Amino acid sequence: AQSVAQPEDQVNVAEGNPLTVKCTYSVSGNPYLFWYVQYPNRGLQFLLKYITGDNLVKGSYGFEAEFNKSQTSFHLKKPSALVSDSALYFCAVRDMDTGFQKLVFGTGTRLLVSP
Amino acid sequence: KAGVTQTPRYLIKTRGQQVTLSCSPISGHRSVSWYQQTPGQGLQFLFEYFSETQRNKGNFPGRFSGRQFSNSRSEMNVSTLELGDSALYLCASSLGTGKAKLFFGSGTQLSVL
Repeated sequence: AQSVAQPEDQVNVAEGNPLTVKCTYSVSGNPYLFWYVQYPNRGLQFLLKYITGDNLVKGSYGFEAEFNKSQTSFHLKKPSALVSDSALYFCAVRDMDTGFQKLVFGTGTRLLVSP
Repeated sequence: KAGVTQTPRYLIKTRGQQVTLSCSPISGHRSVSWYQQTPGQGLQFLFEYFSETQRNKGNFPGRFSGRQFSNSRSEMNVSTLELGDSALYLCASSLGTGKAKLFFGSGTQLSVL
């Protein structure tokens, strides 16, 4: 069974500082990993994805994520946080081999960026 | 290009009633998935439809059902509503292939009183 874990319920960072939101995964086949962001009363917005290739994936709004196979991690990063980055962030995994679109989500991490 | 459209945006129902939610996917997308989001359980997969056929289903009771029409629009139905069904219901569309990414709608907020 596939699963992802987001060990932090909340991450606090000051504006201008680098941020990291952690995610670890467990899959039996080839992992297809995503990060989504959710603003209040809104759906999920796609940030980035990893299929194969470079371990450093660049996404929307200056975010990037590092895929680490040995540590089964896919941490989300940004060099300089903005107050507007404050939102709920979800890591998700899909088994690419099946072709099915089912995503398994982590519990989410609330990011608070203070001015 | 229009995004994923979900209607209605908000719904208030009472226990025992039934409800139908609608989702219009992005043009050209053949896969529609539904998710339930609650503070306690997080985001949980309900089911996925591809070309009018349900091809994957989550662990929800039979009160939750869905269908997809020939134009790829999808509806989700919940019968005999319970208080615990109060949630944000999210629809996602994609091309339906292995590498396709999912695009989410803004959701329908269902409150059961």
